[in-house]
Amino acid sequence: RKEVEQDPGPFNVPEGATVAFNCTYSNSASQSFFWYRQDCRKEPKLLMSVYSSGNEDGRFTAQLNRASQYISLLIRDSKLSDSATYLCVVKGPTGGSYIPTFGRGTSLIVHP
Amino acid sequence: EPEVTQTPSHQVTQMGQEVILRCVPISNHLYFYWYRQILGQKVEFLVSFYNNEISEKSEIFDDQFSVERPDGSNFTLKIRSTKLEDSAMYFCASSDWAATNEKLFFGSGTQLSVL
Repeated sequence: RKEVEQDPGPFNVPEGATVAFNCTYSNSASQSFFWYRQDCRKEPKLLMSVYSSGNEDGRFTAQLNRASQYISLLIRDSKLSDSATYLCVVKGPTGGSYIPTFGRGTSLIVHP
Repeated sequence: EPEVTQTPSHQVTQMGQEVILRCVPISNHLYFYWYRQILGQKVEFLVSFYNNEISEKSEIFDDQFSVERPDGSNFTLKIRSTKLEDSAMYFCASSDWAATNEKLFFGSGTQLSVL
């Protein structure tokens, strides 16, 4: 089983739509969770951390379900500029350290 | 905002040659990482580095690879005897500390092409 799994998409949505991505992780000892955004051939950039109680940052809402080992990202009122790949990142114990492990990413295309 | 810088942005090399990828992490950061991303695939962990030594490494990081912090600012990844399958984007990242919720800052990457 892959450590961090995401539906690769692409999700193709019109401007203004609401879209949701899920991510599942296999290591139940994982401690922290993030969503990163990656534009084509660029470096990943942190979008938001994901907290146990769920958290919101403007149009973006992240949720964590530890019992089911999944994380979600909801984007409301999609903009053209939201088009990117969204990477789920899970930080779990590897040896004596906590190493961030990336999912393959979910591609979002927002069209006019 | 402080940033991680990587050089070169592109590196073309012949199979069997050695390459050194360079990174300057954010100055007050203590934890350093190398990741790679083969075109169309996921970002893969290679190695983490703390206190002048490797703290973790993946199965990808075999004897062909080495890392070094030769001075107080640079962090390098050396790939000996490059293979075609080493062609990828290599990202350096740093973080302030290894707390579980501490985020990574990434450099803009070095695109390595092995011919």
